[in-house]
Amino acid sequence: GEDVEQSLFLSVREGDSSVINCTYTDSSSTYLYWYKQEPGAGLQLLTYIFSNMDMKQDQRLTVLLNKKDKHLSLRIADTQTGDSAIYFCAETLGGGFKTIFGAGTRLFVKA
Amino acid sequence: SQTIHQWPATLVQPVGSPLSLECTVEGTSNPNLYWYRQAAGRGLQLLFYSVGIGQISSEVPQNLSASRPQDRQFILSSKKLLLSDSGFYLCAWSARDRGRDKNIQYFGAGTRLSVL
Repeated sequence: GEDVEQSLFLSVREGDSSVINCTYTDSSSTYLYWYKQEPGAGLQLLTYIFSNMDMKQDQRLTVLLNKKDKHLSLRIADTQTGDSAIYFCAETLGGGFKTIFGAGTRLFVKA
Repeated sequence: SQTIHQWPATLVQPVGSPLSLECTVEGTSNPNLYWYRQAAGRGLQLLFYSVGIGQISSEVPQNLSASRPQDRQFILSSKKLLLSDSGFYLCAWSARDRGRDKNIQYFGAGTRLSVL
């Protein structure tokens, strides 16, 4: 079935690294995404990775993809209080119109 | 540049009343359009998507309906709201022309609906 799973909460101290993990089920997914949602707002794309890549780095963000285990992670280096938000993992199913989102991980950053 | 507008931002409605939420997209043509509901502590539930005018696909059986009267307009409706319809509703669009299976979605600011 179609399912994306991620833990619901993560708490880190300011300046530490945050790692948010996700597992997905559809092996035909060609793109996987991380979206960020700030309180009371819509989602914004943070980054995405194509399935033939193992890693993608974009400034403080590092995405790791393990296709064998269907595991995706987002690492935020030097986490700031402004990074406090909900982070959603998502996959686009083969065919391209449907994107399945996880439940979101709420990141708390303590000063 | 493309923008997406969703309104109203907040809505309080009594049980049994009708609902109409509107979403419009500017700066692009032939977008794919989506309605999602986000319940507290849960992910985004895809309610409807549309690949063209008058073309609506429903993902879950429910008390809601969607319509796409114009290319860049997507409306979410209900004839009689239930308590369980409360939630945060998000409209999104994605480009029709894109790389295979790359379906980056751009979201509106959302409507928080409380049914009392």
